[in-house]
Amino acid sequence: AQKITQTQPGMFVQEKEAVTLDCTYDTSDPSYGLFWYKQPSSGEMIFLIYQGSYDQQNATEGRYSLNFQKARKSANLVISASQLGDSAMYFCAMREGGSALIFGKGTTLSVSS
Amino acid sequence: NAGVTQTPKFRILKIGQSMTLQCTQDMNHNYMYWYRQDPGMGLKLIYYSVGAGITDKGEVPNGYNVSRSTTEDFPLRLELAAPSQTSVYFCASSFPDQGTEAFFGQGTRLTVV
Repeated sequence: AQKITQTQPGMFVQEKEAVTLDCTYDTSDPSYGLFWYKQPSSGEMIFLIYQGSYDQQNATEGRYSLNFQKARKSANLVISASQLGDSAMYFCAMREGGSALIFGKGTTLSVSS
Repeated sequence: NAGVTQTPKFRILKIGQSMTLQCTQDMNHNYMYWYRQDPGMGLKLIYYSVGAGITDKGEVPNGYNVSRSTTEDFPLRLELAAPSQTSVYFCASSFPDQGTEAFFGQGTRLTVV
């Protein structure tokens, strides 16, 4: 069964607009971490933001914020004021306890001027 | 600081050949991972290791083998290459703390013909 689900294969946004990329997860472990990575067309994996299951506040890193709704098991990435350089594939990932990091299928974001 | 280094960057194999993808990290990370990424898709976990001498299967281990004799190195061996193993392979490493992000190598693009 899918542990990380990203239902949006592609998203389109104009420059300076905000965009939300969806991620839902499935775990019975009370201790877990959620991550978002960016993969530009050049192929490297870039870490963006982290949210721990016990964190009370939503994580923020510059223009990135994570809308963490624990009861709904969702961890959506919000990118404010989109830029052309934000065009990339975005992956949600989860790590339960001491286990391996597992990824969703990704969402391709296209930012237009 | 080199981080995670993968070699080679590109390789073409003939069906039935074998090869080893090399991965080394200089961050003293306990955890190391191998993923494969098919075109337009997410990362699927092949194998991972939580420390020297310890390895475990991921989602798609068939056709691959790993070993972890040192903290720094985590080679991935392909025996009897098949066209289905055409993919981009990423090695990553992290500390055990689930709140720490994984660092990725630049990837190895493998084509089996």
